[in-house]
Amino acid sequence: RKEVEQDPGPFNVPEGATVAFNCTYSNSASQSFFWYRQDCRKEPKLLMSVYSSGNEDGRFTAQLNRASQYISLLIRDSKLSDSATYLCVVNTGTASKLTFGTGTRLQVTL
Amino acid sequence: DTAVSQTPKYLVTQMGNDKSIKCEQNLGHDTMYWYKQDSKKFLKIMFSYNNKELIINETVPNRFSPKSPDKAHLNLHINSLELGDSAVYFCASSRGGYTGELFFGEGSRLTVL
Repeated sequence: RKEVEQDPGPFNVPEGATVAFNCTYSNSASQSFFWYRQDCRKEPKLLMSVYSSGNEDGRFTAQLNRASQYISLLIRDSKLSDSATYLCVVNTGTASKLTFGTGTRLQVTL
Repeated sequence: DTAVSQTPKYLVTQMGNDKSIKCEQNLGHDTMYWYKQDSKKFLKIMFSYNNKELIINETVPNRFSPKSPDKAHLNLHINSLELGDSAVYFCASSRGGYTGELFFGEGSRLTVL
C-alpha cells in the first residue's frame, strides 16, 4: 500500500461547482497533514494545513479523519483559477519527512 | 528576492555525464530538501539536511550525492547520468519540525539523452 494515496482525476467541473478530494494515508503515527497546490510546470505551494477539528480558509475546507486515516479537501464555488493539481501531504516517519501523494488534477471550465 | 533559488533551471546532457544542481535559500531555514518529480508527476523525497547534517536519505542510487556547505545551501551532484534520471528536481526548505510548510524552488528540469 502506498504511504499516501489520491485519486489522480482529472476532475472536470464547471465554474461555481463544489468539488471534494480525498486522500488516504497508511502510517497511523502521522501527525501532520497538508494540502499543497501545484500549477502546471510550477513548484508546489502550501494551500492549507489540516487540523484535527477541521479548518476552513475562504472557499476551501479541509478535514481529517484519523480513525479512517483519510483527509479531504472541499472547494466551494470553483473558479477557473482553481485549476491545478492538488497534492495531499503527510509526514511519515520523522517530522521532517513529508510524503506527497501523486496529486489530483482539477480542471474548472466555463 | 527569490526565497529558494536553484540553478540551472534547464539541463540537457548525455548519458554518462556528471552534473550538479545548486540550491540556495535566504529564508533562514534550518532544513533543506531535494525532491524528484518524475514524468508521472510523482514527487518523491530524496534527501534532507538539517543545519548541514544529513537527516533523510531515501533509497537513492549512490550516484546522487548531496552536499551542504552551510545551512543556506544544498547542492546535488549526479554522476554517470542515466536516462531514468530525467525528471524535475526541486529544492525546498522549511523551518523544520512539524510545521510542514515547504518552500520550493522553481525546479531544475534535467533531460538525459
